Amino acid sequence: NAGVMQNPRHLVRRRGQEARLRCSPMKGHSHVYWYRQLPEEGLKFMVYLQKENIIDESGMPKERFSAEFPKEGPSILRIQQVVRGDSAAYFCASSPQHGDLYGYTFGSGTRLTVV
Amino acid sequence: DAKTTQPNSMESNEEEPVHLPCNHSTISGTDYIHWYRQLPSQGPEYVIHGLTSNVNNRMASLAIAEDRKSSTLILHRATLRDAAVYYCIGGSQGNLIFGKGTKLSVKP
Repeated sequence: NAGVMQNPRHLVRRRGQEARLRCSPMKGHSHVYWYRQLPEEGLKFMVYLQKENIIDESGMPKERFSAEFPKEGPSILRIQQVVRGDSAAYFCASSPQHGDLYGYTFGSGTRLTVV
Repeated sequence: DAKTTQPNSMESNEEEPVHLPCNHSTISGTDYIHWYRQLPSQGPEYVIHGLTSNVNNRMASLAIAEDRKSSTLILHRATLRDAAVYYCIGGSQGNLIFGKGTKLSVKP
């Protein structure tokens, strides 16, 4: 396993379009976390998911953003009707169990540019 | 989650040890101390984490003060590839709170 895989690496969308970001966790990891990094800022937690369940979405914007982690396939972060302010790097992390006993492995991120 | 305080930047010479400090005076007894680093245009990379005892791995050592209000990340021999922003994070339960971190520059 090459680690946490995110695709696409770069994504360009026009205002009003939808963006779908995918994250495949490390093999054996069933806990997925999404973060957003605005330019020149630190990462901000968005959502924590286990298979088929959203556990903590306290960092998700209330509108236009949704996330899922189906039984089969990658986790998806979906942004509807994108605006320029959504331009950021979106990172996914995974862990084998919830909690801090194990560290978190991050992917290389998806850089979303809204034009 | 504990608020952490780190210097904005530090410099080191190649092949010398580097000690990166972090204050986390509000940390709770069950909060782990995590260190991650991030190179430009890359995702955060796990460095080390610990709870109470000092920790060592192939990348670094983590020295945790006895009162757990501070810790120090030790890179034993800095290389040019260690130049990055280093983040110290107190506790998380998956919600890692990234501050500004310390930007480490390594001079050849």
